Amino acid sequence: KQEVTQIPAALSVPEGENLVLNCSFTDSAIYNLQWFRQDPGKGLTSLLLIQSSQREQTSGRLNASLDKSSGRSTLYIAASQPGDSATYLCALTGAGNMLTFGGGTRLMVKP
Amino acid sequence: NAGVMQNPRHLVRRRGQEARLRCSPMKGHSHVYWYRQLPEEGLKFMVYLQKENIIDESGMPKERFSAEFPKEGPSILRIQQVVRGDSAAYFCASSLVAVGSSNQPQHFGDGTRLSIL
Repeated sequence: KQEVTQIPAALSVPEGENLVLNCSFTDSAIYNLQWFRQDPGKGLTSLLLIQSSQREQTSGRLNASLDKSSGRSTLYIAASQPGDSATYLCALTGAGNMLTFGGGTRLMVKP
Repeated sequence: NAGVMQNPRHLVRRRGQEARLRCSPMKGHSHVYWYRQLPEEGLKFMVYLQKENIIDESGMPKERFSAEFPKEGPSILRIQQVVRGDSAAYFCASSLVAVGSSNQPQHFGDGTRLSIL
């Protein structure tokens, strides 16, 4: 059974810092990995999707990496802004097509 | 170009009543997924449907819960005889094709927040 862990559970940084969010998983037999953003009381916004054959994806100030052999993914956020404050979720697609989610990292970027 | 639409956004029920949650997938999407987010917990998969068929319901409780995705109309998640423990946010997602066979992401709605009095 796939287990997904995100560390840290919460993170507070001053505006402008570069930061890294971590995601680890136990079963490397995955189709893809997605990073989502969830704002309070809202749904999930897909940020980046990395296919199992890829190593990284970039979108603006965001860069996500995937290392299947070690069961790890990281989300790098450059030059953080207060508007980046949200919960960030890592999710994997394995056999069966459903997503398995980590517990999330609650990010607070202070002005 | 509407996204995934869920209604109602908030639903309040008393114990023992029925709750019906609706999800209209993105235009052209025939794959629908339901997830539940309990307070202070992560999202957990409940059920995966393709038009008129349940593909995987391994995450759905065996009793009181059912889901359908008819040929016409939205997908419905139905909870009978609700209990306090059913209070949660229920999210629906849709995809164009089976996610595992492509790089197509799942697109999520804003969820239905169910509160049981």
